[in-house]
Order: sequence, then structure tokens, then C-alpha cells
Amino acid sequence: ETGVTQSPTHLIKTRGQQVTLRCSSQSGHNTVSWYQQALGQGPQFIFQYYREEENGRGNFPPRFSGLQFPNYSSELNVNALELDDSALYLCASSRDSQETQYFGPGTRLLVL
Amino acid sequence: AQSVTQPDIHITVSEGASLELRCNYSYGATPYLFWYVQSPGQGLQLLLKYFSGDTLVQGIKGFEAEFKRSQSSFNLRKPSVHWSDAAEYFCAVPDRSQGNLIFGKGTKLSVKP
Repeated sequence: ETGVTQSPTHLIKTRGQQVTLRCSSQSGHNTVSWYQQALGQGPQFIFQYYREEENGRGNFPPRFSGLQFPNYSSELNVNALELDDSALYLCASSRDSQETQYFGPGTRLLVL
Repeated sequence: AQSVTQPDIHITVSEGASLELRCNYSYGATPYLFWYVQSPGQGLQLLLKYFSGDTLVQGIKGFEAEFKRSQSSFNLRKPSVHWSDAAEYFCAVPDRSQGNLIFGKGTKLSVKP
């Protein structure tokens, strides 16, 4: 059984640019949650997608947006990048929206 | 509002010594509780979880945790630490209104040879 995968592993962007991060959920999972982890902090919830619909959102501005596809993979898009967006972005999948979450390896984003 | 507190930012133990990492929660009901481990530059790996029933939960890699309702705690323990246990450990509870997890700030574990 393949676990949660994320791409790319690392990314460098400049302020003002846009970025798309990708996540493939574990087989049999219909829910994907995205988290941002700044250096030295715990993960902070961005949003969750359940069966292709947004199912909850944390305290992040609208320039953070997402998508979930029919195969339950997901994208996180960030527009107008700011320096503070530099972080590890984690994706987690689960069998259902309230079930145990299993995390991918993350995408490290650096904004210069 | 739900919250998780991990009072220890950094702990150093000698290899072979016992370990206890503290986690306190605020939830307003009997929570689900999780411990995750993160090796440097990596994602989070689930160590163990508590949903209900037996308050002593066994996890992977020889870890266990005990749910104590009276103390609002869910401390993680290991009887003998190995050098490979050096990592950051996060305690988490689910948000009651959404499906996400609320994490503590983490405890970094260093292991002395």
C-alpha cells in the first residue's frame, strides 16, 4: 500500500510569485488536509478537502486555495507569495474527515 | 477552544535512559489524542493514538502513552531510549468543529551517547 506522497520536495520562489504543491492520498482515503509548519513550530491547519469539497479552513488568507480531484489527490495553491510563506507544507490523508490522519514527507518552500 | 500544551521545548536524555514527554490538553469532553514524531526534514509519523477504552496505549517503536482524565494529560513514555529516537515529538487533538488536528508546539528530543 502506497503512503501519502508530495511533490516537489523542495521549492524556491521569489516574493509575489505563485506556487502549486501536490499531494497524492493513501489508497482508500477520501480526505486530504493541508498544514503549514514554520521553523520551530507545530503544524498549523490550512484547509481540508473531503470528497472534492472544502470541508474546513484555518486562519489563512484567500490567497491560499486548494483543489481535490476525483482520485482524491489534492493541490495547494499560494498566490502573491510573501517571505513569511517560507515553511514546510504537509499534506495528510484519512479514510474520512474525522479519521486518523497520515502525513506525507512535506514540501519545503523557501520564498526569497 | 481546544488546545494542546507541551511544556518542554527541548529534552536531552542519555541512551538507555527512560523518557517521558509531557502533553496537556484542553478539550471540554473526552478527546481523541495523538502522538506524532518528526525526524529532521521529514513529515510526521503516527506513534500512537487514544480513542477510548484502556487508558494505557501502546504504539510503535516501543512507545506508550497514558491518558489521565483527572490531569488532562497524555504523556508519552519509553523505558529505554535509543539514539534513533532523537527527533521532534508532537501531541495533537482533533478540532471539534472541523476535521483538522490541533498540535502542540512540539518537544525536541536529543539523545546523548
